[in-house]
Amino acid sequence: AQSVAQPEDQVNVAEGNPLTVKCTYSVSGNPYLFWYVQYPNRGLQFLLKYITGDNLVKGSYGFEAEFNKSQTSFHLKKPSALVSDSALYFCAVRDVNAGNNRKLIWGLGTSLAVNP
Amino acid sequence: EADIYQTPRYLVIGTGKKITLECSQTMGHDKMYWYQQDPGMELHLIHYSYGVNSTEKGDLSSESTVSRIRTEHFPLTLESARPSHTSQYLCASSEPGWRNEQFFGPGTRLTVL
Repeated sequence: AQSVAQPEDQVNVAEGNPLTVKCTYSVSGNPYLFWYVQYPNRGLQFLLKYITGDNLVKGSYGFEAEFNKSQTSFHLKKPSALVSDSALYFCAVRDVNAGNNRKLIWGLGTSLAVNP
Repeated sequence: EADIYQTPRYLVIGTGKKITLECSQTMGHDKMYWYQQDPGMELHLIHYSYGVNSTEKGDLSSESTVSRIRTEHFPLTLESARPSHTSQYLCASSEPGWRNEQFFGPGTRLTVL
């Protein structure tokens, strides 16, 4: 069965420190992987995606993520956190080989708090 | 900023009322989606459409209905609102193909008294 896990409900980090938001997935075939961010009282915004090619993907607002096939992970990272990065982050996966069942599977979200 | 709009942004309504949540996009996307999200919680897909006159129910059972008469418009209707329908409703759209990201509207926060 396809699934996405975001093992941490909340991540706290000091401003200026590096941040990591974790995501692991389970699909039977090849994955398409996505990260979205949701600021308070807003819809979701797309950050970045992995489709194929280079395992390190760079996205909006200085975020990047590394696809690790052996560990089935797609962790979101940023070298230096800003207070304005505080938001809810969602990881999502699509199983490319799932035939007609290629729906987007969403993680439960991780709340990131960046402290001044 | 994605060109996808939802109205109203906030709605407080009494039990038993019929409501329609509007969603429009100007990007010409064939695929559109409705999600239900309790504040700060996971997303649940309740309806989706792959084009005009195409609608499907999502993973979460919902008493709402949708229609897709025009590419740009994907309204969601509740015939008789109940307090259990209190939630945030997010509309999204995407280009055809499985590798494309979804663009989200700002959401409608619905409260049913």
